[in-house]
Amino acid sequence: AQSVTQLDSQVPVFEEAPVELRCNYSSSVSVYLFWYVQYPNQGLQLLLKYLSGSTLVKGINGFEAEFNKSQTSFHLRKPSVHISDTAEYFCAVSPGGSYIPTFGRGTSLIVHP
Amino acid sequence: DAGVTQSPTHLIKTRGQQVTLRCSPKSGHDTVSWYQQALGQGPQFIFQYYEEEERQRGNFPDRFSGHQFPNYSSELNVNALLLGDSALYLCASSTYRGGADTQYFGPGTRLTVL
Repeated sequence: AQSVTQLDSQVPVFEEAPVELRCNYSSSVSVYLFWYVQYPNQGLQLLLKYLSGSTLVKGINGFEAEFNKSQTSFHLRKPSVHISDTAEYFCAVSPGGSYIPTFGRGTSLIVHP
Repeated sequence: DAGVTQSPTHLIKTRGQQVTLRCSPKSGHDTVSWYQQALGQGPQFIFQYYEEEERQRGNFPDRFSGHQFPNYSSELNVNALLLGDSALYLCASSTYRGGADTQYFGPGTRLTVL
């Protein structure tokens, strides 16, 4: 079985500052990794995913994440955030080829003007 | 392309009642998965339907059941509602061979049990 730990429940940051949202996972098999964003009262939108290949993954809205197998981490970064990035962010993991991701508890990103 | 659609948007029920939630998958998708997202938590997998059969199931009681129709749309039924069933119910569609990386989520149905 796999599990996901999002180390910060809430991350406050000022507009135009860089941000990192941390995610660690545990799994005994190779995995696919995902970051999703959820805006208030909406469903989940896929930001980016790691399936294989390059460990640096670029996604939508200027976000990127780096897969670190030795540290079992998949941290999400953005060099300069906007007010509109305020949302809940979920890290998820699924065994390679599986259809069912396991989600973390989420990190609330709060961008202040 | 309308994407994944769910109905209703909101629903209020009382304990002991039964509820049915509906989901239409994204065009070209043949697989529907249902998730429960309690307040302040990440989504938890309930079950997945493909070819009108339940293919995988998470750790949810038999009160939770589902159905998939020939047009790939799906229903989630919950019987004997408990206060703890209050949550956002998310439907996600994908292609069976594509796996989790092809999954698209709908906006969800907010269920409140009083």
